[in-house]
Amino acid sequence: GENVEQHPSTLSVQEGDSAVIKCTYSDSASNYFPWYKQELGKRPQLIIDIRSNVGEKKDQRIAVTLNKTAKHFSLHITETQPEDSAVYFCAASLTDSWGKLQFGAGTQVVVTP
Amino acid sequence: KAGVTQTPRYLIKTRGQQVTLSCSPISGHRSVSWYQQTPGQGLQFLFEYFSETQRNKGNFPGRFSGRQFSNSRSEMNVSTLELGDSALYLCASSPRGANTGELFFGEGSRLTVL
Repeated sequence: GENVEQHPSTLSVQEGDSAVIKCTYSDSASNYFPWYKQELGKRPQLIIDIRSNVGEKKDQRIAVTLNKTAKHFSLHITETQPEDSAVYFCAASLTDSWGKLQFGAGTQVVVTP
Repeated sequence: KAGVTQTPRYLIKTRGQQVTLSCSPISGHRSVSWYQQTPGQGLQFLFEYFSETQRNKGNFPGRFSGRQFSNSRSEMNVSTLELGDSALYLCASSPRGANTGELFFGEGSRLTVL
């Protein structure tokens, strides 16, 4: 089955700096890669996703890149703000199995003012 | 539109007992998935239901089961509870069939097994 590895497990950044989280996946058939943000005590929420036919996607201060050959994808957050502090999860699945996500272990991001 | 609703929010059980958790998806969403969240194992997929049929199943023992009703509401059951079943159980719904993979999570049911 699919296995997703995520690094780093914790990331501390100064407000205004950039944050990068990296994930690798094992199943070359995976074609859908979402990122979820979970604030303390809250439910996970989708922040951005990418499909395998796209190499990069941006949404304001966040961007995701995908390298299908190397089977890795990354989340980039620019100009970090204190409200970006949360746990971020990458995931992988097939587009015909949206509900079956294989999540990475999560990255605790702390943005210090 | 109301979000995904899970009940109960908190519950405490003892080893050997069984528990049933309920999930009401967003109106119009026909797919419901369940995840177990623990500090050590992260978010692990349990199962996915669509149109009352289990479409996918994760790597959990047979003590974990679920079902979906004709109104898309879903329940999951854990029998013969073990200490390791203590976790936050998250339900998520999605408009399967639409061109989006976004899962909308509920707030979860936090199960403590003593």
